[in-house]
Amino acid sequence: SQQGEEDPQALSIQEGENATMNCSYKTSINNLQWYRQNSGRGLVHLILIRSNEREKHSGRLRVTLDTSKKSSSLLITASRAADTASYFCATAPTHSNSGYALNFGKGTSLLVTP
Amino acid sequence: NAGVTQTPKFQVLKTGQSMTLQCAQDMNHNSMYWYRQDPGMGLRLIYYSASEGTTDKGEVPNGYNVSRLNKREFSLRLESAAPSQTSVYFCASSQSGGLHEQYFGPGTRLTVT
Repeated sequence: SQQGEEDPQALSIQEGENATMNCSYKTSINNLQWYRQNSGRGLVHLILIRSNEREKHSGRLRVTLDTSKKSSSLLITASRAADTASYFCATAPTHSNSGYALNFGKGTSLLVTP
Repeated sequence: NAGVTQTPKFQVLKTGQSMTLQCAQDMNHNSMYWYRQDPGMGLRLIYYSASEGTTDKGEVPNGYNVSRLNKREFSLRLESAAPSQTSVYFCASSQSGGLHEQYFGPGTRLTVT
């Protein structure tokens, strides 16, 4: 089931600005992951944050996780045109009868204009 | 390493035809997955294989069958294609389910007329 929900659905910013995307989910999780999908391509893993972590960084990416609010945010700093893509959050449930398959949200479409 | 490969990249079928989508990974991963992606719907799990020799239904399994041929290969079969199966299909693999990141193939764009 699609547990994660990203917000906003679409985001348009200029190069150099920061982009923030949010994800909410419903049940307890083992971890939460963010993926990027360029148009017409497969998904690429960006970052994984475990339920006992609150913040994680990777290059220009910063992810936070608030398990009490069942929410996460992805911050991309100093955006570039090449960051234009769809971004998906995916949750790995604590208890699963589906091989711990990830539950994906519907994604945020990010457009970065020069 | 090629990662996750899928064939074919594009396919057009007539209603009622059958076909098999092939997927292979060279990362020695235990778990493999098939998703479909429709506009505005995100990714939905069709079938998964938590480990070699096991397969199970996901969220939207109707109209599909799968085979985990060996640790590397996981195929998806449409026995009698329907227009509702027009979609982009992605195969993914992971070391062990959702506990680790998933690696995705480039996708197969399928149109059923």
